[in-house]
Amino acid sequence: EIVLTQSPGTLSLSPGERATLSCRASQSVSSSYLAWYQQKPGQAPRLLIYGASNRVTGIPDRFSGSGSGTDFTLTITRLEPEDFAVYYCQQYGSSLFTFGPGTKVDIK
Amino acid sequence: QVQLLQSGPGLVKPSQIFSLTCAISGDSVSSNSAAWNWIRQSPSRGLEWLGRTFFRSKWYTEYAVSVKSRITISSDTSKSQFSLQLNSVTPEDTAVYYCARGLTTTGFDLWGQGTLVTVSS
Repeated sequence: EIVLTQSPGTLSLSPGERATLSCRASQSVSSSYLAWYQQKPGQAPRLLIYGASNRVTGIPDRFSGSGSGTDFTLTITRLEPEDFAVYYCQQYGSSLFTFGPGTKVDIK
Repeated sequence: QVQLLQSGPGLVKPSQIFSLTCAISGDSVSSNSAAWNWIRQSPSRGLEWLGRTFFRSKWYTEYAVSVKSRITISSDTSKSQFSLQLNSVTPEDTAVYYCARGLTTTGFDLWGQGTLVTVSS
């Protein structure tokens, strides 16, 4: 099973600032099958990025993903008020799908 | 527009069986490009993938090791829905349960609304 570690656990930032979230895998993620989700309280996770760097249709271009192998990054260039949420990475390259523990982006 | 609508009980007694159903509208449970998943979320375990079913000329199921001995995921093509059954539940199974569509190259692109299942006597 691939274990995903996310850092930091919490990121306290102001609107307009840049957020950089990290996801590290215990072994290489096949075909860069790494996704990022956003979750707000009381809601299901929402897919933002798939294949490490592909934005889902309708997701603003301030969200971008990068990385390969075992190290991946989600960047939010200018935080909007609606971006304060918890973000999870997930690998789907092996059939035992796993999620990271999440990074909470909260308002400073 | 594709939607997933979950149904099932919110309270289950320890050692009992619980079942949840996910009704699919706008897609087919026997789609050759989708897999139908169950995922749960709790404060102690985070997001945990439980298993999936999918059709590729025949039906397949795959389960997480953590629940493999207690879980069954099945599909009903006539009703375009799939179901989760979990046996011998304990308070550790208390969580919000989600159904989700998985596509090979994109991850889980569509989620149900979530069902809080509490295991308590």
